[in-house]
Amino acid sequence: GAVVSQHPSRVICKSGTSVKIECRSLDFQATTMFWYRQFPKKSLMLMATSNEGSKATYEQGVEKDKFLINHASLTLSTLTVTSAHPEDSSFYICSAKPGLAGVSQFFGPGTRLTVL
Amino acid sequence: AQKVTQAQTEISVVEKEDVTLDCVYETRDTTYYLFWYKQPPSGELVFLIRRNSFDEQNEISGRYSWNFQKSTSSFNFTITASQVVDSAVYFCALSEATNTGTASKLTFGTGTRLQVTL
Repeated sequence: GAVVSQHPSRVICKSGTSVKIECRSLDFQATTMFWYRQFPKKSLMLMATSNEGSKATYEQGVEKDKFLINHASLTLSTLTVTSAHPEDSSFYICSAKPGLAGVSQFFGPGTRLTVL
Repeated sequence: AQKVTQAQTEISVVEKEDVTLDCVYETRDTTYYLFWYKQPPSGELVFLIRRNSFDEQNEISGRYSWNFQKSTSSFNFTITASQVVDSAVYFCALSEATNTGTASKLTFGTGTRLQVTL
């Protein structure tokens, strides 16, 4: 149980295009999902907290208009990198917290974004 | 503000050696959760353990053991008789508890890269 999927696993795009990454909780409902970013050989940095049916809460320094987050259902959150540039190339990982009383987060396998 | 420090950036051991990965944390909260995750080269985070701040019992799971000491704000992780498959980056993480007792966002340490060779 507690499986989180991400799609796509890898994406290469041209500079200036937008890329959408999906995060799905497959066997549980997630009222809260989190989006992290990881640069090569670096730690995971929280970008935003996504709550179902409400606006995402972004961490300081993360551009809301650049990284659009939508959490339209209890099993799906999407991250859209708008007008992507090479510096947006990174490993994006989502996690999901079951229900309202969840303690642990369950992580997706990550999406590697390369912007040419 | 919360902070997690993993002072060891890289450790290299020979198979069958024991290895301890250090984790020191800072928080003002009295209730919090500590985690260890393993990240193999594939990138996917593998959950290893969660410990809440009220439970200082050490835990052993197979070749893995964890030593939680609130007095020194440390949550160290030991792998006994290491194997090549243990090679990965290991992250320690801290999560504060909300007023309902659930965990909120995670603060990760910088990770320790463990290389186990034959």
